[in-house]
Amino acid sequence: KNQVEQSPQSLIILEGKNCTLQCNYTVSPFSNLRWYKQDTGRGPVSLTIMTFSENTKSNGRYTATLDADTKQSSLHITASQLSDSASYICVVRSTDSWGKLQFGAGTQVVVTP
Amino acid sequence: EPEVTQTPSHQVTQMGQEVILRCVPISNHLYFYWYRQILGQKVEFLVSFYNNEISEKSEIFDDQFSVERPDGSNFTLKIRSTKLEDSAMYFCASSRDGYNSPLHFGNGTRLTVT
Repeated sequence: KNQVEQSPQSLIILEGKNCTLQCNYTVSPFSNLRWYKQDTGRGPVSLTIMTFSENTKSNGRYTATLDADTKQSSLHITASQLSDSASYICVVRSTDSWGKLQFGAGTQVVVTP
Repeated sequence: EPEVTQTPSHQVTQMGQEVILRCVPISNHLYFYWYRQILGQKVEFLVSFYNNEISEKSEIFDDQFSVERPDGSNFTLKIRSTKLEDSAMYFCASSRDGYNSPLHFGNGTRLTVT
């Protein structure tokens, strides 16, 4: 069964600190992995997309890694800001389906002053 | 930056009524989608649409659901006879291509069925 599991479920960090979020997936055959940021009451916003051959991709203070062999990904947030408070969702696409993305449950990040 | 717009932002309806959720995708995008998110749960795929026809649909997207692109700019989701369990946030999305382009999501329509 195609699954996307994220950890931790939630975390609280101090402004200016770094954090790393984890994603494990069983989606197969694999096409690409995406990280989205979702503010409360808003639609998800794309941060990164990585295909099988990409190990690392950055978008500003966000850096995603992918290990397609172990089916794991991480999202690292550097020097967190209050505006980083949101849910971060790992999303995986299979080559079997271009439209049907498999969403994880998200990690709720709260950045405190 | 162009964005996907959805209307209304909140819709309250009685069980058994028909609702139409409206979306204006980004103008040069060719692939369109509806997803939904029940409160506290994961985002779930409903349907994808390309070249004026449904490309794929989930098991949630039964005969009560339909999609339409009535003109060159709008993309609608119709629920024919709403049930209590249809209460959710419905997200429209669009993308330039169907493979490695990001999906651009609207801010959703919160549907409440009473």
